Amino acid sequence: KNEVEQSPQNLTAQEGEFITINCSYSVGISALHWLQQHPGGGIVSLFMLSSGKKKHGRLIATINIQEKHSSLHITASHPRDSAVYICAVTPPLYYGGATNKLIFGTGTLLAVQP
Amino acid sequence: ETGVTQTPRHLVMGMTNKKSLKCEQHLGHNAMYWYKQSAKKPLELMFVYNFKEQTENNSVPSRFSPECPNSSHLFLHLHTLQPEDSALYLCASSQAAVYEQYFGPGTRLTVT
Repeated sequence: KNEVEQSPQNLTAQEGEFITINCSYSVGISALHWLQQHPGGGIVSLFMLSSGKKKHGRLIATINIQEKHSSLHITASHPRDSAVYICAVTPPLYYGGATNKLIFGTGTLLAVQP
Repeated sequence: ETGVTQTPRHLVMGMTNKKSLKCEQHLGHNAMYWYKQSAKKPLELMFVYNFKEQTENNSVPSRFSPECPNSSHLFLHLHTLQPEDSALYLCASSQAAVYEQYFGPGTRLTVT
């Protein structure tokens, strides 16, 4: 079982829909990251958060440390949002060596249809 | 040029070849990373360099050899690879250990 689990693995939505992608983790963390990967491979960091909620444009990320759960929301989805969304966590400073060791989920493939 | 660049973008090599992947970051960061992304699997951390010193080797086979001559450049030297090494190899950098990472576009490697 992965230390970082995402759901759903695949998601198809109609343009304009509100989208939620979930991430659960089983290890202690110092931060959680949401990343976006478009076809062709390039990865962009969307959010890095350790508590509460962050918003950037139509994207909102929330985290509940007690429940070890995070959600990524996309409002008014658009076909250009189609990508793989990856959740990753940074273990705390005392965990197994390098502090910049990210642990990744397998990603959620989102397709937004016009 | 800005951001993190990687060359080549695509590479096909035989199992007896020797090749190198190059990564360059123009962000003034002091940490650099190599990741491997295979189909249907999570990204796997391979190597971490902090201030040019290797601080993480995630049990990577010796046929992969990293080199970090300065904080802006990172290489991955490849020799006698196996077909299962075919994957997308991604480089990333960050300002420091705990800050967000910026990724390059990746090198799509095919080992024949």
